Amino acid sequence: EVQLAESGGGLVQPGGSLRLSCAASGFTFRSYWMSWVRQAPGKGLEWVANIKKDGNEKYYVDSVKGRFTVSRDNAKNSLYLQMSSLRAEDTAVYYCARDIGVAGGGTFDYWGQGILVTVSS
Amino acid sequence: EIVLTQSPATLSLSPGERATLSCRASQSVSSYLVWYQQKPGQAPRLLIYDASNRATGIPARFSGSGSGTDFTLTISSLEPEDFAVYYCQQRSNWPVTFGGGTKVEIK
Repeated sequence: EVQLAESGGGLVQPGGSLRLSCAASGFTFRSYWMSWVRQAPGKGLEWVANIKKDGNEKYYVDSVKGRFTVSRDNAKNSLYLQMSSLRAEDTAVYYCARDIGVAGGGTFDYWGQGILVTVSS
Repeated sequence: EIVLTQSPATLSLSPGERATLSCRASQSVSSYLVWYQQKPGQAPRLLIYDASNRATGIPARFSGSGSGTDFTLTISSLEPEDFAVYYCQQRSNWPVTFGGGTKVEIK
């Protein structure tokens, strides 16, 4: 059974940093592109970042470029999101999601349960 | 960035009725349109990919159609578990973007 489990969320002050983790199981993690998608409270979904199977390509939505870094450790079946210079507008539930396509086409077939990040003083 | 507009924002229907949800793109996305279902407190669930292909395990009452800029998700006969929020998403251009959602509520 495919499972994705996020951790590392919490309350952080504006300007602070936080590292999210996503533990994957039940599939060959190194064979899939992975993404982070977020959802502000009561709002819609926003794609944040993705990373190629081998970690050599990474892409970001403009609003987080230069502040967030996506990475992965295929030996540990884990995905990460390092977030810095956090702003109130980064407050959201963050989901890790698996891309169904081998080429990272942007269809997400499995999602974690989500982890809440709150940026507030 | 491609903007997706979903309508209506809320759809009030009774179990057994047909639901028709619309998603319009600001420019052509060909058939690269995806639909998700989300229930309160849960992650999104993939329903339809590439406009009309049901994902694994999705009941046949869910169907998708359209191409270019206009797309439709149809639920042929609403079951109690279908009352939720539905999002469309385009994967034609990066960044992928989502619509604002349509809430299907019990009338």
